[in-house]
This record gives sequence, C-alpha cells and structure tokens, in this order.
Amino acid sequence: NAGVTQTPKFQVLKTGQSMTLQCAQDMNHNSMYWYRQDPGMGLRLIYYSASEGTTDKGEVPNGYNVSRLNKREFSLRLESAAPSQTSVYFCASSAHLPGLAGYNEQFFGPGTRLTVL
Amino acid sequence: GNSVTQMEGPVTLSEEAFLTINCTYTATGYPSLFWYVQYPGEGLQLLLKATKADDKGSNKGFEATYRKETTSFHLEKGSVQVSDSAVYFCAVNFGNEKLTFGTGTRLTIIP
Repeated sequence: NAGVTQTPKFQVLKTGQSMTLQCAQDMNHNSMYWYRQDPGMGLRLIYYSASEGTTDKGEVPNGYNVSRLNKREFSLRLESAAPSQTSVYFCASSAHLPGLAGYNEQFFGPGTRLTVL
Repeated sequence: GNSVTQMEGPVTLSEEAFLTINCTYTATGYPSLFWYVQYPGEGLQLLLKATKADDKGSNKGFEATYRKETTSFHLEKGSVQVSDSAVYFCAVNFGNEKLTFGTGTRLTIIP
C-alpha cells in the first residue's frame, strides 16, 4: 500500500496564480484532511471531509477550496495565491468509525512545500 | 473548551539522556490521545496512542501513559539516540472526526 500520496512535492507560484494540490489514499478511509504547517505554528486544519460527498471548514479556510472527488481523492485549490499562503501542506486520512475510539488516528502524506512570490 | 498544551521547545539532550516532553489537555469527556513524530523533510507518523484512562502506549522505546486524574499524556524515553532527533506533536481526539495538535517540540540529540 502507498498510504497517502500528495502531488506535487514542491511548487513555486507568483501572487495571483492558481493551483490545485492533489491527495489520494488507498486505505479505504472515510475521512480526509488538509493542514498547513508554518514555523512555530504547529499544524492548522484548513478543510476536512468526514465522508465522501461532504466537506467542512477547519481553522483557517480563507483563500482555499476543496473537492472530495471520490472516497480516495481530496484536492485543495488556491484560486489566487498570496504570499501568506507560503507553507508546507499536508494531507491526511482516517478511518474514523464513530464510537470506536481506536480508529481515529490520522495517516499523513509526505507534504507539498509551496512558495508564493 | 477542549484544548491541548504541549511543552515548548526546542529541547537539546546528549545521547543516552532521559527524555520527557509534557502534554496536558482540557476536555469535557474522555478523549483519545496520540503522539506523532516528524523527521526532517517528512510528514507526521503516529508514534503511539492511548484510548482510555491508564492505557500505556509504547513504540521504539518511547512510552506515554493516559493519566485522567492529571489530564496528561507525557512522552518519555529512557535513553535517547541521535536518530530520535525530530519534532514531536501531542494530539487529542475529542470524539469527533478531528485531531487537535499541540504546537510541537523540536528535539535535538547530541552525540
């Protein structure tokens, strides 16, 4: 199993450009997540999808949109990139079976390092 | 409300030293508790977990015990190695789909 995969690994954008970060998981997980990681800020949740067909805002959703394309894939789109969106972006997935505490750990992809000039 | 507080870093230790990284939480119920590790240039990996009071999670020589009375889940290792140098995150699941992460503690081990 590949686990959680993300593309691209690195990207440089100019202010105002758009791009989509791709994420896929092969673990048949229900829930998927997008985080950003900034120095000294830990991980912050951008959006998540508790199940196929649903998406919800996290802590820092402004400037982003997401699509849960199917159970495997969850993409993150920046419509008009800004320097404040320079960060490392992580996708994660979780089985999340309600009522079963042991299944709510998250599995992370390797990350996308994005620089907006 | 629900929250996680993790010991600030960075932490620098000599090889074979004893490690403790503190993590406490505030919750109205009984959350699940996790420690994740992030090696340089990589994503986060689950290090260990505990899902109920008095559970002890362990992996790679690291241990953490779910202490309900002190609402804590401190990470410990008896003898650290250079290869343990990484960033460590405490995380808590408060019963929904999301994890709440601590701010992370950067650990550097000197030979």
